[in-house]
Amino acid sequence: EPEVTQTPSHQVTQMGQEVILRCVPISNHLYFYWYRQILGQKVEFLVSFYNNEISEKSEIFDDQFSVERPDGSNFTLKIRSTKLEDSAMYFCASIVDGAAQSYEQYFGPGTRLTVT
Amino acid sequence: DQQVKQNSPSLSVQEGRISILNCDYTNSMFDYFLWYKKYPAEGPTFLISISSIKDKNEDGRFTVFLNKSAKHLSLHIVPSQPGDSAVYFCAASAGQGGSEKLVFGKGTKLTVNP
Repeated sequence: EPEVTQTPSHQVTQMGQEVILRCVPISNHLYFYWYRQILGQKVEFLVSFYNNEISEKSEIFDDQFSVERPDGSNFTLKIRSTKLEDSAMYFCASIVDGAAQSYEQYFGPGTRLTVT
Repeated sequence: DQQVKQNSPSLSVQEGRISILNCDYTNSMFDYFLWYKKYPAEGPTFLISISSIKDKNEDGRFTVFLNKSAKHLSLHIVPSQPGDSAVYFCAASAGQGGSEKLVFGKGTKLTVNP
């Protein structure tokens, strides 16, 4: 069964450093998302991406964040200058088609980002 | 801003019995609701969903009920199995398109005891 994959599974970085989290969505999916979950809190929406541009972004997704689909398969989240409060699990998700009958987003296993 | 609330952080049931997980929402624009199951160190896994035009959806042991007037939904698992032990998230989306972001509750940790 096709699945969303994410790399790395765990990333440790120092405050102020840039990180790039990578995702490979399911191949025929058209909409892509990043969510994050700070330890003990709920899963929060960061950004959605369709047709090579951002569809919607949350207040969390400030100028330090960017997303890119550099080729036909990868979808990346970049944090330019990490802060301690960026430490969280980051989940990538995708959906086949916004007009489809079923709206289930499929999630990857997540990348645990630890900022020290 | 808790638009989706799961007021029970944990629930413990005996194997074979019914598990009922509850979820309340405040945003009347939500028109699609989903339940996800999550094991530690894994991503959320889709379980079952319901559109606001329905009040019940069933898939095997899992049934979701929606009460729009009360802005409440529940997930019933019958019979509960030890493998069902996980964190269950209620999520909702708004708008006409299926590409809308999901708004999650904080989750309920279900433990099914053998």
